[in-house]
Amino acid sequence: GAVVSQHPSWVICKSGTSVKIECRSLDFQATTMFWYRQFPKQSLMLMATSNEGSKATYEQGVEKDKFLINHASLTLSTLTVTSAHPEDSSFYICSSRGGVEETQYFGPGTRLLVL
Amino acid sequence: GNSVTQMEGPVTLSEEAFLTINCTYTATGYPSLFWYVQYPGEGLQLLLKATKADDKGSNKGFEATYRKETTSFHLEKGSVQVSDSAVYFCALSDQAGRRALTFGSGTRLQVQP
Repeated sequence: GAVVSQHPSWVICKSGTSVKIECRSLDFQATTMFWYRQFPKQSLMLMATSNEGSKATYEQGVEKDKFLINHASLTLSTLTVTSAHPEDSSFYICSSRGGVEETQYFGPGTRLLVL
Repeated sequence: GNSVTQMEGPVTLSEEAFLTINCTYTATGYPSLFWYVQYPGEGLQLLLKATKADDKGSNKGFEATYRKETTSFHLEKGSVQVSDSAVYFCALSDQAGRRALTFGSGTRLQVQP
């Protein structure tokens, strides 16, 4: 299957700093990328939908000024958690949609811990 | 809006036992249905999918049939292995996968030798 990578795989930062997470589709061009958030032992919750060259569409309750999404190319989307706080600690997962069947492929996730 | 309901876990089985994980959904139109699996420390992997009523998705011995009349997509496997231990997520998407997925809460499966 298609490969989606995320970097970094885990990050620990101090409260107030910003953290950038990259999501790359390695062997196909992704028409759309999605960003999800997963709390321990819970399901994935969609944060935003990102289309190349246009502004991301955020889900209700997700602060767009706090979670900045940039979809610069058909293979790269970035999520920046600005001024991170401990409550932002979570597992962030991206997915890329592409290919003939427009299947979604998930990245391995990035674990963020804000101290 | 769309929603997916899964049976709560954890489900603990002995090796070679029969597995059923129930999944029902609420959606407008004709969604596509998916099962994803998340092994410990890894990201989600697509296990199987079905895009229309009565379709049966299958992979690695797992099967699920898209039942529109009961709005269900139950996951089954005839004989589980220890390596099947993971968290299983049922999900749906509108318009044949053109939108983001709506996930169920996940069901943790533990298979004991």
